[in-house]
Amino acid sequence: EPEVTQTPSHQVTQMGQEVILRCVPISNHLYFYWYRQILGQKVEFLVSFYNNEISEKSEIFDDQFSVERPDGSNFTLKIRSTKLEDSAMYFCASKGPGYAEAFFGQGTRLTVV
Amino acid sequence: SQQGEEDPQALSIQEGENATMNCSYKTSINNLQWYRQNSGRGLVHLILIRSNEREKHSGRLRVTLDTSKKSSSLLITASRAADTASYFCATDASAGGTSYGKLTFGQGTILTVHP
Repeated sequence: EPEVTQTPSHQVTQMGQEVILRCVPISNHLYFYWYRQILGQKVEFLVSFYNNEISEKSEIFDDQFSVERPDGSNFTLKIRSTKLEDSAMYFCASKGPGYAEAFFGQGTRLTVV
Repeated sequence: SQQGEEDPQALSIQEGENATMNCSYKTSINNLQWYRQNSGRGLVHLILIRSNEREKHSGRLRVTLDTSKKSSSLLITASRAADTASYFCATDASAGGTSYGKLTFGQGTILTVHP
């Protein structure tokens, strides 16, 4: 069964460093998303991406964040200068056309020290 | 406003019993989806119910949707210890002819099934 894959599964970084989280969405999907879940809290929407551009973003997704789909398969989330409060599980998701279900990856646990 | 609030926050049952979790939301939706998350792991899609559907079944899962009350329930029948996980509802309220599919999640229900 096709699945969304994310790498790495866990990343530890120093405050102020840049991190890139990587995702390979399901191949025929058209919509791509990043969500995050701070430990013990609910899953929060960060950004959606369609037709090679951001279609919607939350207020969390400030100038420190950026997304890219550089080669038609990978979908990346970059955090330019990490803060302690960026520590969370980051989930990538993808969806086919229409009102279809979204499939999530296993997540990348980001720890900022 | 909060969208997708589940209750109860925690549910503890014995194997073989049924588990019912509820979700309420505040805005009009296109669909509502239920996900399972094992501790510290990824989100597994369970079932999607569209706004024009009232009930849906998948194996031991039964989902209902009442758009007039803006609520949904997830019933797991004949529960097993392996069903122990957190369960989240997520609503798609995206507007426009092309759905961008942004999901709004609730806080989740922690289900513990004792063997």
